[in-house]
Amino acid sequence: QLQLVQSGAEVKRPGASVRVSCEAFTYTFTGYYLHWVRQAPGQGLEWMGWINPKNGDTKYAQKFRGRLTVTRDTSLNKAYMDLRSLSFDDTAVYFCVRDSRWQQLVGLWEFWGQGTRVTVSS
Amino acid sequence: QSALTQPASVSGSPGQSITISCTGSSGNIGSYNVVSWYQNHPGKAPKLIIYEATERPSGVSDRFSGSRSGSTASLTITGLQDEDEGDYYCCAYGGSDVNWVFGGGTKVTVL
Repeated sequence: QLQLVQSGAEVKRPGASVRVSCEAFTYTFTGYYLHWVRQAPGQGLEWMGWINPKNGDTKYAQKFRGRLTVTRDTSLNKAYMDLRSLSFDDTAVYFCVRDSRWQQLVGLWEFWGQGTRVTVSS
Repeated sequence: QSALTQPASVSGSPGQSITISCTGSSGNIGSYNVVSWYQNHPGKAPKLIIYEATERPSGVSDRFSGSRSGSTASLTITGLQDEDEGDYYCCAYGGSDVNWVFGGGTKVTVL
């Protein structure tokens, strides 16, 4: 069964960095784009960026450029979301989500990770 | 301020129909048919219910339907049921620089 399994909850200080991983099971990891979406407490969904696991190409939302890096390790079928210079506003649940068409960027997001809660607290 | 505008809340009685609008611009909904809708319950991953403005993934009830006209997309839920309560988000492609944007979300309440 297709699954995206994310790493566990994190608590970070302001100014620190966080890494969230997303491991893919039961499909060809390099065949589908992966996106990162977050949801702050009581707030809406926010698209952060994508990676093409086949070649490592990435695209980030303007808001996160310079602070966000998404990478992948094809030998482990994992993608990583690194967010730097954390502030209280970065407290959120972070989701990885797979696009649904083979090697196409279509924004068709059926398969989501379970979410990773990141808390920024002093 | 979201690039896509949704009403904050919509309510209806069981069995009724409701429609949620998602107003964008010529830079997103007005130019691309890449509009999707997600149902979201607190603490859970969002669920895709409509993609490409009008298409329904397999397994999604046919009580959900989508449409698009100009720069506005809409989600209609017919035969409203208690289980339909939750938050609904539209999402649209905004071009190669913006990529994807979400609406602010609409809380659906079944009275």
